[in-house]
Amino acid sequence: KQEVTQIPAALSVPEGENLVLNCSFTDSAIYNLQWFRQDPGKGLTSLLLIQSSQREQTSGRLNASLDKSSGRSTLYIAASQPGDSATYLCAVRTSQGGSEKLVFGKGTKLTVNP
Amino acid sequence: DTAVSQTPKYLVTQMGNDKSIKCEQNLGHDTMYWYKQDSKKFLKIMFSYNNKELIINETVPNRFSPKSPDKAHLNLHINSLELGDSAVYFCASSRTVGTEAFFGQGTRLTVV
Repeated sequence: KQEVTQIPAALSVPEGENLVLNCSFTDSAIYNLQWFRQDPGKGLTSLLLIQSSQREQTSGRLNASLDKSSGRSTLYIAASQPGDSATYLCAVRTSQGGSEKLVFGKGTKLTVNP
Repeated sequence: DTAVSQTPKYLVTQMGNDKSIKCEQNLGHDTMYWYKQDSKKFLKIMFSYNNKELIINETVPNRFSPKSPDKAHLNLHINSLELGDSAVYFCASSRTVGTEAFFGQGTRLTVV
């Protein structure tokens, strides 16, 4: 059974710092891995999608890496801003019965202080 | 234009009632999902539909019945609501198997 763990559960940093969020998964047989952002009371916004054959993806100040064999992914946020404050969720896409599903971690709550 | 839209956004109801949550996507995707986020903020899949056919039913009580009238819609009907059903329910869609998932804004259900 696939399990996804995110460390740390919460992180507070001053504005301008670079930071790394960690995600690990127990079963390396994944289609891909997706990072989301969730703001309080809001839905999920997709940030980056890394296919199982890829090592990393970049979008603006965000860089996500994937090491499938070791079951790890990191989300690097450069020059953090107060607007980056949110919960960041990691999810791996696994197969089940001819379809697929996302298995989520519990998230890292990020606070960027001005 | 909202890609994945859910209605209502908030729903407060009494135990024992029957309620429905609607979901529509205008992305032309083949696959739609319902996820539940519990009080501990943990997101877990409930159902997956591909081309209007049920693919995944993740041991959800049969009081929950999804219905997909067409590829763009996946509604969730809940019978005999219980206190433990209180959660945020998210609808999502993806173009096909294994592609990027897009989520709706969620429906916060409170059963009193």
